[in-house]
Amino acid sequence: AQSVTQPDIHITVSEGASLELRCNYSYGATPYLFWYVQSPGQGLQLLLKYFSGDTLVQGIKGFEAEFKRSQSSFNLRKPSVHWSDAAEYFCAVGASYSSNTGKLIFGQGTTLQVKP
Amino acid sequence: DAGVIQSPRHEVTEMGQEVTLRCKPISGHNSLFWYRQTMMRGLELLIYFNNNVPIDDSGMPEDRFSAKMPNASFSTLKIQPSEPRDSAVYFCASSSGQTQYFGPGTRLTVL
Repeated sequence: AQSVTQPDIHITVSEGASLELRCNYSYGATPYLFWYVQSPGQGLQLLLKYFSGDTLVQGIKGFEAEFKRSQSSFNLRKPSVHWSDAAEYFCAVGASYSSNTGKLIFGQGTTLQVKP
Repeated sequence: DAGVIQSPRHEVTEMGQEVTLRCKPISGHNSLFWYRQTMMRGLELLIYFNNNVPIDDSGMPEDRFSAKMPNASFSTLKIQPSEPRDSAVYFCASSSGQTQYFGPGTRLTVL
């Protein structure tokens, strides 16, 4: 069965520092992979997605993620964090048996705190 | 384009009352998902529809919860009777392929 693990529940970084949020997935084939961001009191907003092709994916707000099949990982990165990036981040994988319905398996989320 | 629309945005009710949450998916999307988010349990998939047909309702907590999708542009999630432990943020999302787009959520408080 598909699963997604975000090992870090909570991360604190200083404003201007680089960021990497980890995501590991369990899947039997090439997965569809997503990162979403949720600001306090808001819904989930799509940051970026990987379906195929170039393993380095660019998203909105200056984020990028790299798909590494050998490590079953899809880590999210940003070179310089802004205070407005403080939010909860969710990694998700598309469920293979529902490839026509868009069902996703979500990780537990990582809360990012940004220090001034 | 309008995104996923949910109403109401906030709902406060008393235990035992019926609660109905509403969702309008993005036009042209053929899948609709209902989620519940709490601090304790995180984000949980309750039920999802494809072409208005319920595909998987294994996440629905119990018989007090029911969901319908009478047409491609409208869905409801009903709780009857409501209990304090149902207090949560309920999200609706829609997709036309693999990418889900979320609504702003309904914050439900059951007193």
